[in-house]
Amino acid sequence: KNEVEQSPQNLTAQEGEFITINCSYSVGISALHWLQQHPGGGIVSLFMLSSGKKKHGRLIATINIQEKHSSLHITASHPRDSAVYICAVRFGNDMRFGAGTRLTVKP
Amino acid sequence: DVKVTQSSRYLVKRTGEKVFLECVQDMDHENMFWYRQDPGLGLRLIYFSYDVKMKEKGDIPEGYSVSREKKERFSLILESASTNQTSMYLCASSPDFYEQYFGPGTRLTVT
Repeated sequence: KNEVEQSPQNLTAQEGEFITINCSYSVGISALHWLQQHPGGGIVSLFMLSSGKKKHGRLIATINIQEKHSSLHITASHPRDSAVYICAVRFGNDMRFGAGTRLTVKP
Repeated sequence: DVKVTQSSRYLVKRTGEKVFLECVQDMDHENMFWYRQDPGLGLRLIYFSYDVKMKEKGDIPEGYSVSREKKERFSLILESASTNQTSMYLCASSPDFYEQYFGPGTRLTVT
């Protein structure tokens, strides 16, 4: 069983819709990362958080340490948001990755 | 900006060949990582290095070795490529084990 579970695995939305991607983990962590991977493979870091909420543009990430759960929200989604979104958790020097959520936003 | 480059974006090799994947970072980071990414499994750590000539096994080191002769360069070696090593390989570097910067990836196909 993966220590990091993401849902949904695949998500298709219409442009403008509000998107939520969820991440649950089973271990105590020091930080949680949300990563974005565009077609072609390159990965960029969107957020690193250990408590509360962070916002960057149309992206919002929240974490509930007690419930071991994080969400990534995208407001007013756009086709350029189409990518794979990956949740990763850090405990000590170890990092564990979710399998990713493939988001497709249609115009 | 941190830049992590990988030697090839796409690579096709035959079973039994020795394969070298190279990764170079330009930010003087001490820590470098090699991952493979497979559908439904997410990223899995193969090896990491926390200093020149230092290396540690990750979760799936079997069939792989690494070399770090210079701080900026971390090489992944497949001694005898097999079809189950067909995958996307991602390199990353990090100053502190918290923030990792990823390369563009190498999609390796072993036939």
